[in-house]
Amino acid sequence: EPEVTQTPSHQVTQMGQEVILRCVPISNHLYFYWYRQILGQKVEFLVSFYNNEISEKSEIFDDQFSVERPDGSNFTLKIRSTKLEDSAMYFCASSDLSGGNTEAFFGQGTRLTVV
Amino acid sequence: RKEVEQDPGPFNVPEGATVAFNCTYSNSASQSFFWYRQDCRKEPKLLMSVYSSGNEDGRFTAQLNRASQYISLLIRDSKLSDSATYLCVANPNTGNQFYFGTGTSLTVIP
Repeated sequence: EPEVTQTPSHQVTQMGQEVILRCVPISNHLYFYWYRQILGQKVEFLVSFYNNEISEKSEIFDDQFSVERPDGSNFTLKIRSTKLEDSAMYFCASSDLSGGNTEAFFGQGTRLTVV
Repeated sequence: RKEVEQDPGPFNVPEGATVAFNCTYSNSASQSFFWYRQDCRKEPKLLMSVYSSGNEDGRFTAQLNRASQYISLLIRDSKLSDSATYLCVANPNTGNQFYFGTGTSLTVIP
């Protein structure tokens, strides 16, 4: 069964450092998303991406964040100058939105710990 | 106003019980609706899509009322393995975000 894969599963970084979280969406999907979830809190939307452009972003997704699809398979989230409050689980998702297939599939997440 | 609202619970029910979760959404343009299940420190996983006609998958029944902008999930004969957080999700099918509720926590007690 196709799945979304994320690497690394756990990243520890020092405050102020840059991190890149990587995702390989399901191969025939066209819509990609990043969400985050601080421990014990709700799933929060960061950004959606389609046709090599950001289609929507939340207030959380400020200049500290960027996304990129560097090739035909990877979708990355870069966080510049990490802060303690960036510590969270980051989930990548992809969807097809064609026909009746409108659900989003999530990767297993990257747990980011900023120290 | 939150796009999707759920009662966070927690719901603590004995094995074998029937439990119902409710959810409301505010964006009338939402087209697709889902219930996801999330185990502790894991990713959300699709439990079932929700259709206006109602749909059933084993012990799980989901219902959508577009007029009231209301979604429900019924779990019959609860199992210990049903213990999780259940997330109500709405999608406008525009390629923009899926709207998540805060989740409803369920614990099934032996």
